[in-house]
Amino acid sequence: AQRVTQPEKLLSVFKGAPVELKCNYSYSGSPELFWYVQYSRQRLQLLLRHISRESIKGFTADLNKGETSFHLKKPFAQEEDSAMYYCALKDQGGSEKLVFGKGTKLTVNP
Amino acid sequence: DTGVSQDPRHKITKRGQNVTFRCDPISEHNRLYWYRQTLGQGPEFLTYFQNEAQLEKSRLLSDRFSAERPKGSFSTLEIQRTEQGDSAMYLCASSLVWAGNTIYFGEGSWLTVV
Repeated sequence: AQRVTQPEKLLSVFKGAPVELKCNYSYSGSPELFWYVQYSRQRLQLLLRHISRESIKGFTADLNKGETSFHLKKPFAQEEDSAMYYCALKDQGGSEKLVFGKGTKLTVNP
Repeated sequence: DTGVSQDPRHKITKRGQNVTFRCDPISEHNRLYWYRQTLGQGPEFLTYFQNEAQLEKSRLLSDRFSAERPKGSFSTLEIQRTEQGDSAMYLCASSLVWAGNTIYFGEGSWLTVV
């Protein structure tokens, strides 16, 4: 069964510090991985997807199939990065279902 | 705001009553999704439509739940004989298949069953 694990419920860093939000997945097929973000009082929105191999707002994420991980990283956190972050997985070959992790609440302190 | 629109935003209902939520997707988006989210959890997939066809349903969508998208535009999610366990945020989302299929979420409809 598909499963996404975000081990940290809460993560707090200081402005300018590096940040890494962990995501591990369990899936035997060929997954497509995503990071979604929800800022305070805003709707859930796509941050990035692994197939695009892009950097959005300074965030990057690399799919590591050996470790079944898709950690989200940013070298220098900003206060405006404070939000709820969800990792999600989709089967590339069939279902349109997104399987989400429970989320990590990131707080960037001044 | 021309994003995904959901109505009502909040609903309090007594156990056993029926409730209906409406979702208006972004114009011309051909896919529409319903998810449910409870406190401390990520969104859980319920169902999705491509145009008016309901192509996938989760086991979470029990017989008391029904979703429709009659003309391939707006959608409704009805919950019959509500139970306290139905209390959750119901999220609607839409996407356009041939434009990268990026999924855009609505703000959600909060349901409280008392």
